[in-house]
Amino acid sequence: SAVISQKPSRDICQRGTSLTIQCQVDSQVTMMFWYRQQPGQSLTLIATANQGSEATYESGFVIDKFPISRPNLTFSTLTVSNMSPEDSSIYLCSASGTPTYNEQFFGPGTRLTVL
Amino acid sequence: SQQGEEDPQALSIQEGENATMNCSYKTSINNLQWYRQNSGRGLVHLILIRSNEREKHSGRLRVTLDTSKKSSSLLITASRAADTASYFCATDHNNAGNMLTFGGGTRLMVKP
Repeated sequence: SAVISQKPSRDICQRGTSLTIQCQVDSQVTMMFWYRQQPGQSLTLIATANQGSEATYESGFVIDKFPISRPNLTFSTLTVSNMSPEDSSIYLCSASGTPTYNEQFFGPGTRLTVL
Repeated sequence: SQQGEEDPQALSIQEGENATMNCSYKTSINNLQWYRQNSGRGLVHLILIRSNEREKHSGRLRVTLDTSKKSSSLLITASRAADTASYFCATDHNNAGNMLTFGGGTRLMVKP
């Protein structure tokens, strides 16, 4: 299985600021994704992080609010921009698609609180 | 959009009992994956079952898939207090490039 790490694990931020979350996979993967989990809810896909090109966003999510980078096959970042209290959530990255498996594995998540 | 529906939303059992959670979906899938999430933490991958499979086992876990009914179930046998967590099913659809759609989850509490 792939081992995925995220930084930071949690943060408390002020309204109007931005936070960049990093996701590192221990092996090369085809696909990387970013999800949001609001308190007490299930996961919602924000976007697919495409290596070397712009991310593919789901309905309700836009690049200006959630810019994503994926410079190589093992690393991605998600920025939550101009934050408001409604952005308080757990943000999770995931990865799938190696030569040996296509299960999707998740990082430990970043718990974001916006005051 | 969230496609999977899970039931029950919450389940409370005694240690040693079996726990069954169900998941339904609406459109055809490539595979279905079950995850466990302990409070406030990341998701732990439990089992992947492909659309051409009907049953898979992993330790005390048994997953079934009925594509004609578009449903899956997760059975945890001989439950332990450490199994207390939220359990999610997630569907990988044929044209979604490994993108997953998550169900609402079942919160399982196993009482010692």
